[in-house]
Order: sequence, then C-alpha cells, then structure tokens
Amino acid sequence: IAGITQAPTSQILAAGRRMTLRCTQDMRHNAMYWYRQDLGLGLRLIHYSNTAGTTGKGEVPDGYSVSRANTDDFPLTLASAVPSQTSVYFCASSEGASNQPQHFGDGTRLSIL
Amino acid sequence: GQNIDQPTEMTATEGAIVQINCTYQTSGFNGLFWYQQHAGEAPTFLSYNVLDGLEEKGRFSSFLSRSKGYSYLLLKELQMKDSASYLCAARDSNYQLIWGAGTKLIIKP
Repeated sequence: IAGITQAPTSQILAAGRRMTLRCTQDMRHNAMYWYRQDLGLGLRLIHYSNTAGTTGKGEVPDGYSVSRANTDDFPLTLASAVPSQTSVYFCASSEGASNQPQHFGDGTRLSIL
Repeated sequence: GQNIDQPTEMTATEGAIVQINCTYQTSGFNGLFWYQQHAGEAPTFLSYNVLDGLEEKGRFSSFLSRSKGYSYLLLKELQMKDSASYLCAARDSNYQLIWGAGTKLIIKP
C-alpha cells in the first residue's frame, strides 16, 4: 500500500542520547516535512525539504537535523535528546504544488527521560 | 505574527449538523486546508479552499472568506465515527502550512 512509513512507532530515550527517526515514502513526492505535535498546540514544523538534496528550517528547528539524500527518505536526528523534545513526531509528504495536501505517516511517540 | 484560531472543543448530537469555525492571520495566503485526526492517529486530509465560497464533499463542506480571514467546516448527518479533532491550516506566502491547535468534536448519541 502506497504511503509514508515512520519508524519506530514509539521510543523511550534517555536524555543526552542520539536518536534518528526514520521516514520513507513511496509516492515519489518532491516535498517532505517533519512536525511535532504537543497537547494544546498545533502541528509545528521542524524541518522541510522541497526536493531531494535540499532542506530548510521550520518554526522549531533547534536540536534537530535532517538530510534528504534521495526522494524517498527523510530522516530526523536528535543529536542530544532533552526532555522538552518529548512529543509525537509526524512525517508528511506532498507533491509540492500549492493545492496538493500533505499526507502523513502514523507518527513516532517519543519520550525523553 | 501568524496565527490560526479555532475552538478547543465542541459537542454535538448524532444525526445533527455542526459548524467548526477557523480564523487565520498569515503573511500571504495560498489556501486553507481542513484535516481530521482521530485520537492516536495521523491527520487525514478533508478539504481545500483557495477561492471564496463553499466546497461540498458528501457530508462535509468547507467555506472560505479571504477578506475576513475566515473558514468553517460543516459536518452534516453526524455519525459517532466523526468524533475526532479537526485541524485548520492556512498556507502562507512561503507555501508552508500554519496549523491551528485543533477542535475536538465530541458526538453524543
């Protein structure tokens, strides 16, 4: 089934550890996004990529990095996790045109202790 | 700054109609999206408006007034499965989505 796959589904991590959240799409979408969703707040954009080989910073990029080596994969790395990064992380993709919706993965529930 | 406002929670009765409002302030405007998100799941796309007026899709309709910075999502013939959060998002001049915090809709029998 075509779509976006995120891994892991959930993770408990000790503060200070490095963690990479994986995201893969098979829809050949140009644009990909990483969001975090916290209770009472809207989805907040962390980083995005409009096409393979390019990335950009969103609203809350600090403490996170991304890469886009190819069209399908867009991993998000927490270099040194802190408790405030406890959140649900969603990866999304879109064809890139302004009227095209973003399609979301099932999310990664990350707890930093 | 950029901002999306929508009610935190609404309650409605099965079989009834409910209207969820959204107001937005963005730097530039390139369309308004509505998404549905069931608890513990990913958001799923419902509708898109870029021109003023009403877009109808089955039981769901979405309205946009660009001059007022206002949109609403209308749900008819409510079913228990419509219990979910409804997210409003406006696309700004950089084509990034600015998201509201979501409206939790509770359907009572």
